[in-house]
Amino acid sequence: NAGVTQTPKFQVLKTGQSMTLQCAQDMNHEYMSWYRQDPGMGLRLIHYSVGAGITDQGEVPNGYNVSRSTTEDFPLRLLSAAPSQTSVYFCASSHQGLAFFGQGTRLTVV
Amino acid sequence: AQTVTQSQPEMSVQEAETVTLSCTYDTSESDYYLFWYKQPPSRQMILVIRQEAYKQQNATENRFSVNFQKAAKSFSLKISDSQLGDAAMYFCAYRSAVEYGNKLVFGAGTILRVKS
Repeated sequence: NAGVTQTPKFQVLKTGQSMTLQCAQDMNHEYMSWYRQDPGMGLRLIHYSVGAGITDQGEVPNGYNVSRSTTEDFPLRLLSAAPSQTSVYFCASSHQGLAFFGQGTRLTVV
Repeated sequence: AQTVTQSQPEMSVQEAETVTLSCTYDTSESDYYLFWYKQPPSRQMILVIRQEAYKQQNATENRFSVNFQKAAKSFSLKISDSQLGDAAMYFCAYRSAVEYGNKLVFGAGTILRVKS
């Protein structure tokens, strides 16, 4: 009963490096989202998807790319990491209006 | 765009006492959902309670209840008989019932400390 699985749980990047945060769900949910959590700002939506092949931007999309080739997977790509992208990242899948969150990835960009 | 405001960065409560966390929101929509999430130190986001805007009755889940005031756009969370395990960050969140994508708008959060 995995639910939403995010990898890695922790990551340190150097400025300018690229990486992909992985997110997988095994509940066959159509909707998936990426949020970032910063102190004093709550969680903010980066990108979301309403099904395989369909993605759209959220509130803070700059510096991030996503794709959704399968229902199960929704990776988040940082093409050139910046210190402003230091944050905790959450992936979520949704069904009937209820969101199920992964355990989060703490990313530090130095 | 919708906004959610949590005006209490931090709250404290004595074990077994009652505490209320405040949340206000701004929207022009009439149909929406409101949520309270708990985030313990483990970082896991745990749904505490959900309220549907078209329902006048306040939602209740065991020791957790809400005071939903639609006209005032207020959605407070009351925790009764507080326990040490209630200590966490609490987020209020809004979701439109008509917008595409099941997108959540979160408040900044309130840290709840429980004293023994």
